[in-house]
Amino acid sequence: GDSVTQMEGPVTLSEEAFLTINCTYTATGYPSLFWYVQYPGEGLQLLLKATKADDKGSNKGFEATYRKETTSFHLEKGSVQVSDSAVYFCALSSSGTGNTGKLIFGQGTTLQVKP
Amino acid sequence: DTGVSQDPRHKITKRGQNVTFRCDPISEHNRLYWYRQTLGQGPEFLTYFQNEAQLEKSRLLSDRFSAERPKGSFSTLEIQRTEQGDSAMYLCASSLVSGGDLFSTDTQYFGPGTRLTVL
Repeated sequence: GDSVTQMEGPVTLSEEAFLTINCTYTATGYPSLFWYVQYPGEGLQLLLKATKADDKGSNKGFEATYRKETTSFHLEKGSVQVSDSAVYFCALSSSGTGNTGKLIFGQGTTLQVKP
Repeated sequence: DTGVSQDPRHKITKRGQNVTFRCDPISEHNRLYWYRQTLGQGPEFLTYFQNEAQLEKSRLLSDRFSAERPKGSFSTLEIQRTEQGDSAMYLCASSLVSGGDLFSTDTQYFGPGTRLTVL
């Protein structure tokens, strides 16, 4: 079945460092890909998404490119801030006729940014 | 606030008791999803509704679980005879799929969740 694999955390960075969180997926067809973020004590928030190959999703300085050839959707940010400390989830949703829209999530990656 | 709301936010119960959670989706959203998240894991799909119709249930949803969305607006998730393994965060999400494109990919908006602890 469809699945998502994320790099294990926690990832600890200093402020202004470059961030990469790896995400790879296994799916039939052409899924849509998402990054959700969960700040401490809050619910899941959509960070960005991409619905087809080579699309780049971006938001709040974060970006991720849908790479069909490597089945990847790695999250990047050029300069992280303490306020980016959170848990990041990669997810996919199968598209096309008959899809349910259900999301399949990775296990999450905790990011800690130190001043 | 017009986001997804869930009630209660926390529930502590004893093993064997029944519990019911409520989810109010974003107004006009026609899809509603339930997920379960255990500590250190990503959310897992439980079930979803298109308007009032329950269209898919996960294998995770045992006979003790039942969900309804009677008028296509709010939804309830009931767990009967709770077990300690039911302790988790129960998340609700809603989305809008256009009437002419029911098979497109939708963006889901999540509520804050209900944390269930079974003693």
